[in-house]
Amino acid sequence: GEQVEQLPSILRVQEGSSASINCTYENSASNYFPWYKQEPGENPKLIIDIRSNMERKQTQGLIVLLDKKAKRFSLHITDTQPGDSAMYFCAASGNYAQGLTFGLGTRVSVFP
Amino acid sequence: DAGVTQTPRHEVAEKGQTIILKCEPVSGHNDLFWYRQTKIQGLELLSYFRSKSLMEDGGAFKDRFKAEMLNSSFSTLKIQPTEPKDSAVYLCASSLGQNTEVFFGKGTRLTVV
Repeated sequence: GEQVEQLPSILRVQEGSSASINCTYENSASNYFPWYKQEPGENPKLIIDIRSNMERKQTQGLIVLLDKKAKRFSLHITDTQPGDSAMYFCAASGNYAQGLTFGLGTRVSVFP
Repeated sequence: DAGVTQTPRHEVAEKGQTIILKCEPVSGHNDLFWYRQTKIQGLELLSYFRSKSLMEDGGAFKDRFKAEMLNSSFSTLKIQPTEPKDSAVYLCASSLGQNTEVFFGKGTRLTVV
């Protein structure tokens, strides 16, 4: 299977600063790494993903980095805003016959 | 386009009861997932179907949890018998295929008393 560790579990950042979340995985066959944002009372929604043929991807204030050798990937939220306050989940694809394995989540709180 | 539809949104069951949760995936999606979400364990995979074939049945959840997909547009998750520790949000999700965006439903909040 696949195991995904996500840290930190709680992250408080000041508005305008950056927030970083780190994940590690075990299965070297994993080749797809999405990030999901879940707001209170809502379902998780994809915000950015990266595949194993890339090391970096950026979109709308989000940067994802992937280090395949270290089996580590990370999400960086630049210029955080109150709307960025939410739960964030990383995930890894595992083998062909597996569903996504998720990390336990990071609760991000952006304060003024 | 309709997203993933789950019913009911809320379910209260007594310990020992059988409950059935329902899910309609996004039309045209080939992969369907059932996840259980709790604050302690996060998102745990219960079942995974690809083109209606069961790919993964969630290991530890096998004994009382049974997911079925009788056709490409409908899936059920049966919990029999329910236990208080089953209280959680059950999320159904679907995707076009491997390594594509997974769309989640709004979930069923199950409370077992």
